[in-house]
Amino acid sequence: EDQVTQSPEALRLQEGESSSLNCSYTVSGLRGLFWYRQDPGKGPEFLFTLYSAGEEKEKERLKATLTKKESFLHITAPKPEDSATYLCAVQASGGSNYKLTFGKGTLLTVNP
Amino acid sequence: DAGVIQSPRHEVTEMGQEVTLRCKPISGHNSLFWYRQTMMRGLELLIYFNNNVPIDDSGMPEDRFSAKMPNASFSTLKIQPSEPRDSAVYFCASSLAGLGNYGYTFGSGTRLTVV
Repeated sequence: EDQVTQSPEALRLQEGESSSLNCSYTVSGLRGLFWYRQDPGKGPEFLFTLYSAGEEKEKERLKATLTKKESFLHITAPKPEDSATYLCAVQASGGSNYKLTFGKGTLLTVNP
Repeated sequence: DAGVIQSPRHEVTEMGQEVTLRCKPISGHNSLFWYRQTMMRGLELLIYFNNNVPIDDSGMPEDRFSAKMPNASFSTLKIQPSEPRDSAVYFCASSLAGLGNYGYTFGSGTRLTVV
């Protein structure tokens, strides 16, 4: 069974204090790893898709990286508007490749 | 585009009552998903439709849950009878052709409380 574990569960940073969120996964065959951002009272919003170990993607202050066992979401010089829950999800290869298995997320709070 | 539209945004109902959640996917998207989010279990896939046909309903918890997609622009998730453990946020999501490079587009969800 595919599993995704995210750590830490919650992270509090000061504005400008860089850090990383971790996503460890177990999947029979990885087709893609997805990062989403979720704001309170809203649905998850797509950020990145990574497909192979060594791949990196960037968007503003966020950079996602992928290894064979885990993914990291690096946040550089965060701002209060980066506060949200960040969700990681894996897409397995094979017959159920339409399905995303999500972790429980990391709640990020950035204080001004 | 208005995105994926779900209604109602909030629903409070008494145990034993029937609850119907509604979803309008993005026009042109042929894949529709219903997910449930709880603190304990996170986001879980309930059912997946492709071209209005249910493909995978293995995540539907039990017979009390049913979902329909009568046409490309409308889907419902029904719980009958509802129980307190059904309390959660229910999300509808849509995409072009299964799970593409950009994942799904989620609606804003329906927060269901069963008392």
